[in-house]
Amino acid sequence: TQLLEQSPQFLSIQEGENLTVYCNSSSVFSSLQWYRQEPGEGPVLLVTVVTGGEVKKLKRLTFQFGDARKDSSLHITAAQPGDTGLYLCAGRQEETSGSRLTFGEGTQLTVNP
Amino acid sequence: DSGVTQTPKHLITATGQRVTLRCSPRSGDLSVYWYQQSLDQGLQFLIQYYNGEERAKGNILERFSAQQFPDLHSELNLSSLELGDSALYFCASSKSPLNTEAFFGQGTRLTVV
Repeated sequence: TQLLEQSPQFLSIQEGENLTVYCNSSSVFSSLQWYRQEPGEGPVLLVTVVTGGEVKKLKRLTFQFGDARKDSSLHITAAQPGDTGLYLCAGRQEETSGSRLTFGEGTQLTVNP
Repeated sequence: DSGVTQTPKHLITATGQRVTLRCSPRSGDLSVYWYQQSLDQGLQFLIQYYNGEERAKGNILERFSAQQFPDLHSELNLSSLELGDSALYFCASSKSPLNTEAFFGQGTRLTVV
């Protein structure tokens, strides 16, 4: 069962445009993370959001955690070709003595010059 | 560079064989996670260790096993390999078993022929 759904799966835009990627779940997560992955590389952590309603900004990237801690969004302003990559959201679930990250399937973003 | 080292980077082997993937966590990190990334399944959590002890388990096949050694490096053993086991295998590490931030290695690309 896929617990985290990302949309859109693919996004191709022109340089300078704005975009939003969504991450939705029926489950509540203790925190949610966004990663960016380049081909042949491991995911690189961009941000962690913990509190419902939290908004974090990282230069041109704005991340929001839903009030109920079930969904999140990533907004990129004035996208650049260097933003091209696979964006993954991941929800952290705590277990008795450990934790796991459940990943969405990712959004493949292509920014054309 | 995340500080997490995985070897080998690429591995090609035949069906029915057994392989061992190795991971050295970032300096100071005690927790290690293993993930499998395939085209049709996305990033799937396999297992987590903390200071040598198993802490969380995902949908890891019985043919797969892992351990974390006293020097904190970890190995993922895959046996009776099938074509469907071809995937990228990532290791991630964090300071604590409940730490919100995990750092990923560059992965091992396993191809089963």
